[in-house]
Amino acid sequence: GAGVSQSPSNKVTEKGKDVELRCDPISGHTALYWYRQSLGQGLEFLIYFQGNSAPDKSGLPSDRFSAERTGGSVSTLTIQRTQQEDSAVYLCASSSDRPYYEQYFGPGTRLTVT
Amino acid sequence: QQQVKQSPQSLIVQKGGISIINCAYENTAFDYFPWYQQFPGKGPALLIAIRPDVSEKKEGRFTISFNKSAKQFSLHIMDSQPGDSATYFCAARGSTLGRLYFGRGTQLTVWP
Repeated sequence: GAGVSQSPSNKVTEKGKDVELRCDPISGHTALYWYRQSLGQGLEFLIYFQGNSAPDKSGLPSDRFSAERTGGSVSTLTIQRTQQEDSAVYLCASSSDRPYYEQYFGPGTRLTVT
Repeated sequence: QQQVKQSPQSLIVQKGGISIINCAYENTAFDYFPWYQQFPGKGPALLIAIRPDVSEKKEGRFTISFNKSAKQFSLHIMDSQPGDSATYFCAARGSTLGRLYFGRGTQLTVWP
């Protein structure tokens, strides 16, 4: 079946602008995650949604970052007043159900802040 | 604080050789240890995973060895091929649907 999809694949924005990144998880997956991957760095956790529970926002680096998940499916990550240090690849993953709840990643959105 | 430590940072192996990547963790609450493979411009792809109730898991040329007492686990790639050239990430998870903690990655190059 279809995997996790993300859009846009690339986004170039000017410093100070707001951006929205979209994630469509695998159908039926109840958990959705956002991670960030900076050049030469590992994957940094940002936020996690599970069903109707309150999201785990513990990884968001500042209050300029927010995310929502509508209808338990599509998620949007919003970065307000972008800074150059926000330049990175933003990865979305969704999690299967039993038995092992594996996380499957999308292709990512490459964000460049100029 | 890095929850999962991965080494080496880069690895060069000849075609047909064995590639070994090591990871270590401190949190004994971790109960699921996946490895991801990432090609340039792509998202990480789940390669193989293990739970701490077994010491080894093999899928084709890929094997995870797990040492619970030492809190270490490793990925072995047998008969390494140029197509295996990618970045490999180990990870760990502490609860069923929780976030993954990733190592910093190992860039593997397999020379033909």
